[in-house]
Amino acid sequence: DTGVSQDPRHKITKRGQNVTFRCDPISEHNRLYWYRQTLGQGPEFLTYFQNEAQLEKSRLLSDRFSAERPKGSFSTLEIQRTEQGDSAMYLCASSLSASMGYGYTFGSGTRLTVV
Amino acid sequence: GENVEQHPSTLSVQEGDSAVIKCTYSDSASNYFPWYKQELGKGPQLIIDIRSNVGEKKDQRIAVTLNKTAKHFSLHITETQPEDSAVYFCAASRTNAGKSTFGDGTTLTVKP
Repeated sequence: DTGVSQDPRHKITKRGQNVTFRCDPISEHNRLYWYRQTLGQGPEFLTYFQNEAQLEKSRLLSDRFSAERPKGSFSTLEIQRTEQGDSAMYLCASSLSASMGYGYTFGSGTRLTVV
Repeated sequence: GENVEQHPSTLSVQEGDSAVIKCTYSDSASNYFPWYKQELGKGPQLIIDIRSNVGEKKDQRIAVTLNKTAKHFSLHITETQPEDSAVYFCAASRTNAGKSTFGDGTTLTVKP
């Protein structure tokens, strides 16, 4: 297993366009998370899945954002009608679920620039 | 919701010295506390974690301490090396919840 893969690594888009990012988690991990990171800040939670079920979505996440994890494997994050404020690094992570917690394995992220 | 504060935001040490990064959290129900190291152009990497049933954990040059009463935890790096230079993040979560709340990071620079 090569870890968590994210595609693309970089995306430049014009304001108002839609973008979609893909994440392939570690195959044994049943949890998958999306976080957003801006310069000088820690990762900010967006949403997470356990298997194919989306269990939580941040209240800060506008309805322009949607995520899916069909069949409990890879996940996609779509941003519709992008705005300049959406420019950030989008990080995907995966983990096992356990009663005492497991740390995340992060991908290298997709850097989105909205111009 | 949970709030995690991390200090200092930047830390510069000489090679061989120790470095300490401190975090406080607000949710008394949080019981899992990981630390991540992020190098330029990469995602954060888990380096050590601690659960609420222990007060200290050590892994070679890295140790983490937890004070549940005071709601703070710390990362200690001894005998620092230039390759320890990176941004370090603390995080806190409830193990029955999915998400972690991260601090804003500490940029550690180790001068040779």
